Amino acid sequence: GAGVSQSPSNKVTEKGKDVELRCDPISGHTALYWYRQSLGQGLEFLIYFQGNSAPDKSGLPSDRFSAERTGGSVSTLTIQRTQQEDSAVYLCASSLSQGGYGYTFGSGTRLTVV
Amino acid sequence: GIQVEQSPPDLILQEGANSTLRCNFSDSVNNLQWFHQNPWGQLINLFYIPSGTKQNGRLSATTVATERYSLLYISSSQTTDSGVYFCAVVDTDKLIFGTGTRLQVFP
Repeated sequence: GAGVSQSPSNKVTEKGKDVELRCDPISGHTALYWYRQSLGQGLEFLIYFQGNSAPDKSGLPSDRFSAERTGGSVSTLTIQRTQQEDSAVYLCASSLSQGGYGYTFGSGTRLTVV
Repeated sequence: GIQVEQSPPDLILQEGANSTLRCNFSDSVNNLQWFHQNPWGQLINLFYIPSGTKQNGRLSATTVATERYSLLYISSSQTTDSGVYFCAVVDTDKLIFGTGTRLQVFP
């Protein structure tokens, strides 16, 4: 596609429920990143996929968070047993190569846990 | 990991004013970028500037890598410049973002 697509754009869920957030990167981009942005805060790195390499999961805040990237394209971020502190905007970015160059960000998914 | 700090955290300007935003980082880097997040949340890359100076219209940026800081200059600010400005550096192949400077430009 022309840009990085994220869905849903907004998600309201009850505390304790599981949620799945989707990211469809730019075609051909081998690197995919997930970030979290809490209200009024900066971007917190969560996880990074590069080609077929093992993902860099060093930013995942707890074992309730997981992500996968199928076929080197679409990625899903899953949050189990959601808590109110998980409320944030979840941003996905992709790039053509590794090294942090040429990031293109999606519009994000705003998650609200009530 | 690398720490990235930005100042000031908030900046309020009247249209036409100039401003300087600062980014300090804790370790040597070979990739530093500036981003603008508009009021609707979209992030746009402004500059890739690991060292030296670059200019793009009313915006320019300078990075002094040996002293571990970068500056973003906005001249003749416009209301459309409002939003949050982030600098970001690469640490193990991913970008680490600073705390941001929230800019509000009033007519």
